[in-house]
Amino acid sequence: DAGVIQSPRHEVTEMGQEVTLRCKPISGHDYLFWYRQTMMRGLELLIYFNNNVPIDDSGMPEDRFSAKMPNASFSTLKIQPSEPRDSAVYFCASSRGEWTGEETQYFGPGTRLLVL
Amino acid sequence: DQQVKQNSPSLSVQEGRISILNCDYTNSMFDYFLWYKKYPAEGPTFLISISSIKDKNEDGRFTVFLNKSAKHLSLHIVPSQPGDSAVYFCAASARGNNRLAFGKGNQVVVIP
Repeated sequence: DAGVIQSPRHEVTEMGQEVTLRCKPISGHDYLFWYRQTMMRGLELLIYFNNNVPIDDSGMPEDRFSAKMPNASFSTLKIQPSEPRDSAVYFCASSRGEWTGEETQYFGPGTRLLVL
Repeated sequence: DQQVKQNSPSLSVQEGRISILNCDYTNSMFDYFLWYKKYPAEGPTFLISISSIKDKNEDGRFTVFLNKSAKHLSLHIVPSQPGDSAVYFCAASARGNNRLAFGKGNQVVVIP
C-alpha cells in the first residue's frame, strides 16, 4: 500500500499567487481530511469529505480557501490569492469505514508551503 | 479555542528512562483519545488510543492512562529509546463526530 500521497512536498510562492495542493488517499478509504499545522495553532482540521462529499468545512479559514474531491482517489486544496500568513505545513489524511472514533487516520507526508 | 492542550512543549530524557507526556481536554463530549507520533518531514502516524470506558491501554512500551474526572490523559514510554525522539500529538474525538481535535504537540528527545 502506497499510503496517502501528497504533492508537491514543498511549495514557495509569492503573495497573491494561486496555490494548489494535491492529495491521493489510500484506496478504499471513504474519508479524506485536510489539516494545517502551524506553530501557533498546532494541527487544525480544515475540511473533511465522506465519499467525495464535503461534510464539514467549518475549519476553512476564509473564502480564499477551497477544497474539492472530484473522485475517490483525488482531492485538491486551493488557496487563491495566497498570503504570507498561509505559510504552514498542510497534511492530507484518510480513513475507512463509518467513523466511530476508533478509525485510525493515515496521514500523508505533508506539503510545506511558504508564501513570500 | 484549544480543546486539547499539551503543555511543556519539549521533553528530554535519558535512554532507558521513562518519558511521560501529558494532555488535558476541555470538551466533556470527547470519548475517544489518541496519540500520534511525528518525525520531521513526515506526517503523523497513529501510536495508541483509548476509549473513555477504559482508564488504561497498553501496547508494548507505550501505555496511555485516562482520568475522565480530571479530563486528563498521559502517555508513558518505558523504556525510552533514541528512535522515540519525535513530536507527539494528543487528539480527541466525540462519538458521532468525525473531527479529531489535536493538541499542539510535545517534542521528545531521547538522549543515548
